[in-house]
Formats: sequence, structure tokens, C-alpha cells
Amino acid sequence: GQQVMQIPQYQHVQEGEDFTTYCNSSTTLSNIQWYKQRPGGHPVFLIQLVKSGEVKKQKRLTFQFGEAKKNSSLHITATQTTDVGTYFCAGPQDSSYKLIFGSGTRLLVRP
Amino acid sequence: GAGVSQTPSNKVTEKGKYVELRCDPISGHTALYWYRQSLGQGPEFLIYFQGTGAADDSGLPNDRFFAVRPEGSVSTLKIQRTERGDSAVYLCASSTTGISYNEQFFGPGTRLTVL
Repeated sequence: GQQVMQIPQYQHVQEGEDFTTYCNSSTTLSNIQWYKQRPGGHPVFLIQLVKSGEVKKQKRLTFQFGEAKKNSSLHITATQTTDVGTYFCAGPQDSSYKLIFGSGTRLLVRP
Repeated sequence: GAGVSQTPSNKVTEKGKYVELRCDPISGHTALYWYRQSLGQGPEFLIYFQGTGAADDSGLPNDRFFAVRPEGSVSTLKIQRTERGDSAVYLCASSTTGISYNEQFFGPGTRLTVL
């Protein structure tokens, strides 16, 4: 079945350093969504990418969708302690409503 | 407006017991989803409702799990004869409609512990 994989599983950075998480799907995706889950919290939608090669920015966060629409990345510039949490990518199975989530990348930031 | 709410926030039960978990979606959202999240994992799809009907229950692990949404709003996930392996956080999400391009709004989840 369709799989969505994320690396790394875990990253610990010094505040001010950059951070990147990568997402790879076993199948071509119609779109990809990114969610953030704070410790003890629930997933919160960050962004959706739809077009091949699309790049979107939200302040210090840059999201990219690969040309083949099978991979994506999230890059955070100059991390802050408020960035702590687990970042999930999710893609729809067979372009349907059913989201397949990656296992997430847990980000810890040392102040 | 209010977000997705779920009750109870925590549920501890004994093996073999029956539990009900409730989800109250955002008003006007016709699509409702249940997910299960185990420690260190992403949410895993269980079931999807469009209106009152379960459009897709392919993610339910077995026939001990059942969910309803009788009036197209509140949904209840029911687990019979609970097992220790059912311990997880059960998340509910809703969206305006059930297409893949719609953002899903998650509730705070119910942490289920089966002793």
C-alpha cells in the first residue's frame, strides 16, 4: 500500500540553527499537507502544496513540493524554542479524502 | 468559533470493557474523520463520515471497533471488548467537505489506556 516516509525521525538543534525535514511518498500525490503537533497537543494544519515544484513560505518556514510530486521538504531558518514539536507530512491516498501521515520528525531546540 | 472537541480527554479502562469516545466537529463541517495515534507515530486513519454515513471504514482494525454519526454532527467511536493493544490517542478531525484538498481540523484527542 501507499507509504509516506519522513526523515530524520528526530533532530536536536541549537536555537538559531536551521532545520530541515524530508518527506517521501511511494506514489505520486495530488497534494501534500504539513501539520505541526506540539508536545501533548494535537496536529495543527500548517500548509498545503498542490503544484509540481511549488515553494511556499510562512515567515521562517519554507515548504517545497518536488517536481515529481512524490517528495516534499520543510525548512525552518533560525529555529526558535517555539518551533519545538513534531512535524508531519500527509498525502491523500489515491487523491481521496484519506490522508496517509508520515511518522513525523520531532524537533527539539536548545535555548 | 469553537474548534473540534472530544470527550473524555482521558479514559482508563480494564481489558474486556466497552468504551465510547465522543467527537463534536466544527459546526457546518460535513466531513468527519477518526484517527488513532500511537506513541512516536503519525495519525492512522480509521474511518471517514460524509454527513451521516460512514463513507469509508477501511481503517477500522477489526469488528470490535464501530463508529456512528446519526445526525451528521456528533460522532461516537465505540470499542467493544477492549484489549491492551487498543491503548492510544484517538483523534477526531473535521473538514468542510471530504475532498483531499481540504484542511483537516483536529480535536485534542482522547487518550485511551487499557489496563
